[in-house]
Amino acid sequence: QQQVKQSPQSLIVQKGGISIINCAYENTAFDYFPWYQQFPGKGPALLIAIRPDVSEKKEGRFTISFNKSAKQFSLHIMDSQPGDSATYFCAASIGGFQKLVFGTGTRLLVSP
Amino acid sequence: KAGVTQTPRYLIKTRGQQVTLSCSPISGHRSVSWYQQTPGQGLQFLFEYFSETQRNKGNFPGRFSGRQFSNSRSEMNVSTLELGDSALYLCASSSGQADTEAFFGQGTRLTVV
Repeated sequence: QQQVKQSPQSLIVQKGGISIINCAYENTAFDYFPWYQQFPGKGPALLIAIRPDVSEKKEGRFTISFNKSAKQFSLHIMDSQPGDSATYFCAASIGGFQKLVFGTGTRLLVSP
Repeated sequence: KAGVTQTPRYLIKTRGQQVTLSCSPISGHRSVSWYQQTPGQGLQFLFEYFSETQRNKGNFPGRFSGRQFSNSRSEMNVSTLELGDSALYLCASSSGQADTEAFFGQGTRLTVV
């Protein structure tokens, strides 16, 4: 049973543009929503995370927007750069990092 | 400090065999989680060990097992390998406390032929 749905599957953005990736969850018990970035041959690395008591969190060029009533959250990458080209995963869990439920991933390509 | 170390990086096994994968967490971390990553199913949680005890378990058959040693190093074992077990197996370590980040290793690429 897929509990976190992620879209789009792939995304092409021009350098300097905004990349937007969306996720929706079903389990209202989830209380932790991280985003991970994965480069080929590497393990996922935490980008930014949010809890449902906050509607938005920004760290550098990365912003999470969270809509608790719609059970949706999204990642915005501002001023996208070729070095941002990677696969991005949203995830959700109850209580923290220990049992993450991942989305299916979005392959982002930022064209020069 | 050193990151999460997984060995071996690559492994080829024959269907029906068993395999053991190893994960050395970041020094001081007591929680180790294992994930399976495949193109079809994505990243799926296998289990988590904290202070030598299994604290959480995902929905995988009993062929998948693990353990954690007193130095927090963890091993994952898969018995009676099937072709569908071919995947990247990732280990993540954390302090085990809420609100602390989990750091992933580079994974072990298992191919079952």
